[in-house]
Amino acid sequence: NAGVTQTPKFQVLKTGQSMTLQCAQDMNHEYMSWYRQDPGMGLRLIHYSVGAGITDQGEVPNGYNVSRSTTEDFPLRLLSAAPSQTSVYFCASSYSGTSGGAKTQYFGPGTRLLVL
Amino acid sequence: KQEVTQIPAALSVPEGENLVLNCSFTDSAIYNLQWFRQDPGKGLTSLLLIQSSQREQTSGRLNASLDKSSGRSTLYIAASQPGDSATYLCAVGETDSWGKLQFGAGTQVVVTP
Repeated sequence: NAGVTQTPKFQVLKTGQSMTLQCAQDMNHEYMSWYRQDPGMGLRLIHYSVGAGITDQGEVPNGYNVSRSTTEDFPLRLLSAAPSQTSVYFCASSYSGTSGGAKTQYFGPGTRLLVL
Repeated sequence: KQEVTQIPAALSVPEGENLVLNCSFTDSAIYNLQWFRQDPGKGLTSLLLIQSSQREQTSGRLNASLDKSSGRSTLYIAASQPGDSATYLCAVGETDSWGKLQFGAGTQVVVTP
């Protein structure tokens, strides 16, 4: 298994440009999520999904869109990039297990985004 | 709103010493608590997950305890090695939407030879 993969690894954008960060997992996990990590602030949840066709907002959703058409993929779209979106973005996935509820979360390697 | 705090922000110990990392949270109504390790420029690796009904979990040299009533978790790493140098993050799983994690800012650990 490749686990959780993210592309690209690094991206530079100009203010106002749009782009999509890709995330895929091959573990058949129901749950997927996007976090951003900024210095000294830990990780903050942007959007999450509990299954194909179901998404919801996290703590910092403004400026980002998501969709989940398949179990494997959960892309994050930046609609109009701003310097405040300069960050490291992590995708994660998890399964519910037979007893219900989320289990161990698996993280991708991250995408470093710089918005000029 | 759940707040997760990790103190200290940074820690340096000589090789062989035991490491004690602290995590506190404000709302005791949690689903679970996870400890992660993050190496510079890398993603997060899950170390231990403690369900809310458990008091501790162990894996090799690592032991994590959970005290929901006091809103605390402690990660112990026995006989530290230079390879243990990394940032350690704790994250609390919420009960109202399974899978959502609230992270602390992390403790950066350096183990000197």
